[in-house]
Amino acid sequence: NAGVTQTPKFRVLKTGQSMTLLCAQDMNHEYMYWYRQDPGMGLRLIHYSVGEGTTAKGEVPDGYNVSRLKKQNFLLGLESAAPSQTSVYFCASSWTSGGTNKETQYFGPGTRLLVL
Amino acid sequence: QKEVEQDPGPLSVPEGAIVSLNCTYSNSAFQYFMWYRQYSRKGPELLMYTYSSGNKEDGRFTAQVDKSSKYISLFIRDSQPSDSATYLCAMLSASGSRLTFGEGTQLTVNP
Repeated sequence: NAGVTQTPKFRVLKTGQSMTLLCAQDMNHEYMYWYRQDPGMGLRLIHYSVGEGTTAKGEVPDGYNVSRLKKQNFLLGLESAAPSQTSVYFCASSWTSGGTNKETQYFGPGTRLLVL
Repeated sequence: QKEVEQDPGPLSVPEGAIVSLNCTYSNSAFQYFMWYRQYSRKGPELLMYTYSSGNKEDGRFTAQVDKSSKYISLFIRDSQPSDSATYLCAMLSASGSRLTFGEGTQLTVNP
């Protein structure tokens, strides 16, 4: 049982390049989330999904897109990277119907992104 | 104004000290209150969670919620160097599906 995994662990991009961050969970969770963590700002929600095929905007969605084509995967895309998107990105998942509580989120190890 | 305010520290204490970490919030709809612990270069992990007001104890950790004051606390007794981490408070309303996090407090326990 791997829990929540993220790919890649670290990436360097040039301004204007695109990339996709992959999050996978093997806990059959319904809800998945993408956060960014910056010094002095804490964890901020970018986008989230309450089930396969659904997505919703969080606190800081601009410049990012997401897709949840399969229940176990949640992809975060940067179409045109900017230096302001340099951050550590965390994926999380929660809630199995009849199982864990919604408030218990399980986090991945993070992806460190540097945009030059 | 942020919905959840947390003193970012850093906080440095000697081993064996009692540590008090606090958060205040403004949204009276919050019903679930959590503390996550995040070690350096790792993802956060759930440490404690409480529903509504009251206390909850788990070993050396005690979580307190005072909804009338919109104030939550995490106490760590007999702190250990292994407790050195960033502690984030998080909150959720009854109808919500999204956690609201505090900024996190960086704690160092010195041997």
